[in-house]
Amino acid sequence: DAQMTQSPSSLSASVGDRVTITCRASQDISNHLAWYQQKPGKVPKLLIYAASNLQSGVPSRFSGSGFGTDFTLTISSLQPEDVATYYCQKYNNAPLTFGGGTKVEMK
Amino acid sequence: QVQLVQSGAEVKKPGASVKLSCKTSGYNLTNYYMHWVRQAPGQGLEWMGIINPSGGRTAYAQKIQGRVTMTTDTSTGTIYMELSSLTSEDTAMYYCLRDRGGGGYSGIPDYWGQGTLVTVSS
Repeated sequence: DAQMTQSPSSLSASVGDRVTITCRASQDISNHLAWYQQKPGKVPKLLIYAASNLQSGVPSRFSGSGFGTDFTLTISSLQPEDVATYYCQKYNNAPLTFGGGTKVEMK
Repeated sequence: QVQLVQSGAEVKKPGASVKLSCKTSGYNLTNYYMHWVRQAPGQGLEWMGIINPSGGRTAYAQKIQGRVTMTTDTSTGTIYMELSSLTSEDTAMYYCLRDRGGGGYSGIPDYWGQGTLVTVSS
């Protein structure tokens, strides 16, 4: 089963900064990669699917890229409402493994 | 509209079992796979398994294989997840999720239940 490794585990950035989170799969998962945002006490929200497809209603400052084993989530200009924990998830087959999460805080 | 309404919080002793429910509405349950995901306090997300409500075929995470059973009651539109031999490590928020595949598997959830907190404590 493919393991998903996210980095960094946490980061602190300022409003307007470009933020990049990486996710590495231990096996080739093609583009079967999703990104979620979870705010404290809330249900996770789907941001990106198929590695680079923006879910409807998600701001365009979020983008995803990658294929195979290496993937990236980018927030082009960090906003206060983006403070959250972000998870990647592979879904090519079971088990649908999540990465360990990246906590994004405001500097 | 699509809704997934989960059963209420549970407190269990170590060694006990818990059976959670997820009542669906607003769509035909048999047309969509369903997942269960859990999240221990302050920890990340852990996928537990998937069920195809049309036929009841399941696949479970290896970590809980042998302790978990997912079932469906299509007459009420409800899915269930039973976890046995509970330990403190099973203390978590448990979520049911609808797979958005619509007739097939996609692996991407489009709706989440509100979650059920399970606390395992002596």
